[in-house]
Amino acid sequence: GAVVSQHPSRVICKSGTSVKIECRSLDFQATTMFWYRQFPKQSLMLMATSNEGSKATYEQGVEKDKFLINHASLTLSTLTVTSAHPEDSSFYICSASPESRPHTDTQYFGPGTRLTVL
Amino acid sequence: AQSVTQLDSHVSVSEGTPVLLRCNYSSSYSPSLFWYVQHPNKGLQLLLKYTSAATLVKGINGFEAEFKKSETSFHLTKPSAHMSDAAEYFCVVTGFTSGTYKYIFGTGTRLKVLA
Repeated sequence: GAVVSQHPSRVICKSGTSVKIECRSLDFQATTMFWYRQFPKQSLMLMATSNEGSKATYEQGVEKDKFLINHASLTLSTLTVTSAHPEDSSFYICSASPESRPHTDTQYFGPGTRLTVL
Repeated sequence: AQSVTQLDSHVSVSEGTPVLLRCNYSSSYSPSLFWYVQHPNKGLQLLLKYTSAATLVKGINGFEAEFKKSETSFHLTKPSAHMSDAAEYFCVVTGFTSGTYKYIFGTGTRLKVLA
């Protein structure tokens, strides 16, 4: 149980285009989803916390107009990288916390999306 | 504020020998602590979790960790390393801010297993 999927697993795009990444909780409902960014051989950096039906909360230094997050349902959150540039190339990972245990703090992670901007 | 320190960025062990990955934490309240493993270009897999129940926590794949409050440590161990254990390991402590539990990650320990 507690499976999280991400799509696509890899994406290559041209500079200036936008890319959407989907994060789905497959066998549970997730009130809260998280988006992380990971640079090569580094730890995960939290970008934003997304709650179903409300605006995402962004971490300091993360541009909300560049990284658009939508959490339209209890099983789906999307991250759109707008006007992507080579410096946005990274490994993006989402995670989700089950709604059925609102006071738990376990996050289940997706497999990640490798974004390369040419 | 909560923080976590992984004391070794790289650990090398021979196959069949014990594994010890060290983690120290700082927390202003009784924390939840986790160990995750990440294989190359993959997401994170939960190994084990401590939430103020038993101080010795058993996880998957033969891993276990002991919560020691007096030492503020949560070291990960395994009696006998397998080649498949080679990966990046992250120690995580939770922080509760703005109504949400957030993960605070250590910098990671890369485990190398030698044949």
